[in-house]
Amino acid sequence: DTAVSQTPKYLVTQMGNDKSIKCEQNLGHDTMYWYKQDSKKFLKIMFSYNNKELIINETVPNRFSPKSPDKAHLNLHINSLELGDSAVYFCASRGEGFGYGYTFGSGTRLTVV
Amino acid sequence: QKEVEQDPGPLSVPEGAIVSLNCTYSNSAFQYFMWYRQYSRKGPELLMYTYSSGNKEDGRFTAQVDKSSKYISLFIRDSQPSDSATYLCAMKIQGAQKLVFGQGTRLTINP
Repeated sequence: DTAVSQTPKYLVTQMGNDKSIKCEQNLGHDTMYWYKQDSKKFLKIMFSYNNKELIINETVPNRFSPKSPDKAHLNLHINSLELGDSAVYFCASRGEGFGYGYTFGSGTRLTVV
Repeated sequence: QKEVEQDPGPLSVPEGAIVSLNCTYSNSAFQYFMWYRQYSRKGPELLMYTYSSGNKEDGRFTAQVDKSSKYISLFIRDSQPSDSATYLCAMKIQGAQKLVFGQGTRLTINP
């Protein structure tokens, strides 16, 4: 059973389109995240939700909108895609308590052409 | 200046060598220190974590934290080709929700 699953794995789309990435975790974790990894492998946080409530919203363009229908799901919708949005997007979840590392999904590779 | 600095490499060593991977950081409030391993086309997976200063050992892996120097290290003994991956350090302030990552070091172990 996959702990954190993201769909789709690959997404190729044209500039200006709107797309969504879905994430689900079956670990019972309360907190979920979206991270963006650029071509240089640099992972940067975008959003975090705790029990469906937004707790982190980094300086991300408002074309990006997360949505958490329940604590096991965190989706990412992107409007008006730009070339610079091309990256790998990782969903992650975290349990409570000291030392509970994040569990990452396998990533969604987004290519905007 | 980034909060966490990590040499991206690439680093290439022969099988059996001892590997040393390092990160420096600027924020003295970081209390939790982690190392993640990321294979190609996969998500990062937690390898080691430590709280505050000190050493932690797990099999062939040893994590060290020197808070006075704002410097953390990961040592891999008897390195194997299966250790070939990108290694990312990550840090967190107590009570904070987000992890701050280094850029990652790409490591290749040659048979």
